[in-house]
Amino acid sequence: AQKVTQAQTEISVVEKEDVTLDCVYETRDTTYYLFWYKQPPSGELVFLIRRNSFDEQNEISGRYSWNFQKSTSSFNFTITASQVVDSAVYFCALSEGGGTSYGKLTFGQGTILTVHP
Amino acid sequence: NAGVTQTPKFRILKIGQSMTLQCAQDMNHNYMYWYRQDPGMGLKLIYYSVGAGITDKGEVPNGYNVSRSTTEDFPLRLELAAPSQTSVYFCASSYQGAYNEQFFGPGTRLTVL
Repeated sequence: AQKVTQAQTEISVVEKEDVTLDCVYETRDTTYYLFWYKQPPSGELVFLIRRNSFDEQNEISGRYSWNFQKSTSSFNFTITASQVVDSAVYFCALSEGGGTSYGKLTFGQGTILTVHP
Repeated sequence: NAGVTQTPKFRILKIGQSMTLQCAQDMNHNYMYWYRQDPGMGLKLIYYSVGAGITDKGEVPNGYNVSRSTTEDFPLRLELAAPSQTSVYFCASSYQGAYNEQFFGPGTRLTVL
């Protein structure tokens, strides 16, 4: 069975600090997809990034970057120069790629990020 | 496009009552999902559907039922509500399975007293 672990329950930083959110996953599939979602205080879930298991390239999007390492089964998310608007709950999720997966997501417990001014 | 819409936004039920949470999407997505989010926890899959007339159980289906008669709508039925069903319910849709990101509705906050 697949599993996603976000060991950091809460992180508190001061604006402009860099912060890394950890995500460790377990799956038996060789093909799978990893996602990060953001849940701001308003409650909706916002898609941030998708990465497939065959693409270990790191990705940068503005102040956001993601580090995918299959050797350690990790898909970590770094926010550079954090801002108050980054305060949210961040979820890492996994979808197995097999024919009967149907995109079902397994979520981690989430990390609450608070950025103080 | 409205995306994924859910009604109601909030609801309080008494133990033993029943209700239907509505979900609709206007993106012509084949795949639709229902998740619940308990405080301090990630989302858990209740039911999913890969097309009209096709549904299947997720990780936590007990106490719920679904139907999918059209591509657009995917209602979730709670029968005999219990306090353990107090949660925030999210509906989501995607174009097709594993690769595509899911688009989420705004959620329904349900309290069972």
